[in-house]
Amino acid sequence: GAVVSQHPSWVICKSGTSVKIECRSLDFQATTMFWYRQFPKQSLMLMATSNEGSKATYEQGVEKDKFLINHASLTLSTLTVTSAHPEDSSFYICSARDRGKAAGYEQYFGPGTRLTVT
Amino acid sequence: SQQGEEDPQALSIQEGENATMNCSYKTSINNLQWYRQNSGRGLVHLILIRSNEREKHSGRLRVTLDTSKKSSSLLITASRAADTASYFCATDGYQAGTALIFGKGTTLSVSS
Repeated sequence: GAVVSQHPSWVICKSGTSVKIECRSLDFQATTMFWYRQFPKQSLMLMATSNEGSKATYEQGVEKDKFLINHASLTLSTLTVTSAHPEDSSFYICSARDRGKAAGYEQYFGPGTRLTVT
Repeated sequence: SQQGEEDPQALSIQEGENATMNCSYKTSINNLQWYRQNSGRGLVHLILIRSNEREKHSGRLRVTLDTSKKSSSLLITASRAADTASYFCATDGYQAGTALIFGKGTTLSVSS
């Protein structure tokens, strides 16, 4: 089956620093990748849609200058949390759609990255 | 953005009992999916039901979909302690490249 990996699985950083999270589709090409954020005991909230070779589309209320998304290849998307603050501490999950399949197939989710900002 | 509500928000049952969770959504969908998430872990895909389907089974899981009411239900039969987790429905729109939108989830606790 299709596999999506994320790295790192968890990270602790100091307030004011930047953190990069990688999302890779391991055995398929993903034209589109998605980034979600999940706070404790809450559901997944879509942050942005990332298309290979173009700018990401951010959901309302998500600061594009704070959450930088780069989708440089068909198998890699990165999310950089710039000038992180404690309120950015969350579980970040990426997902990808298989380029070879039409709409109507499930997205494949990464295992998530736990970010803690101290 | 989120599609809608899951009901109940929390459910506590004994092993062997059945658990039913409901999901409502707002817009037209191509399919609806159910996921499980253990505390602090990633998502596990359980089942996908397409908009032209009314019921689907997978092992101890039974999913129904009523597009006229924009609602779905997930039934877990003969529950086990290992079923303790959060369960989310997620809707998939018709446009290619659109993201799954998740409901708020139901937290299921199964005690032995």
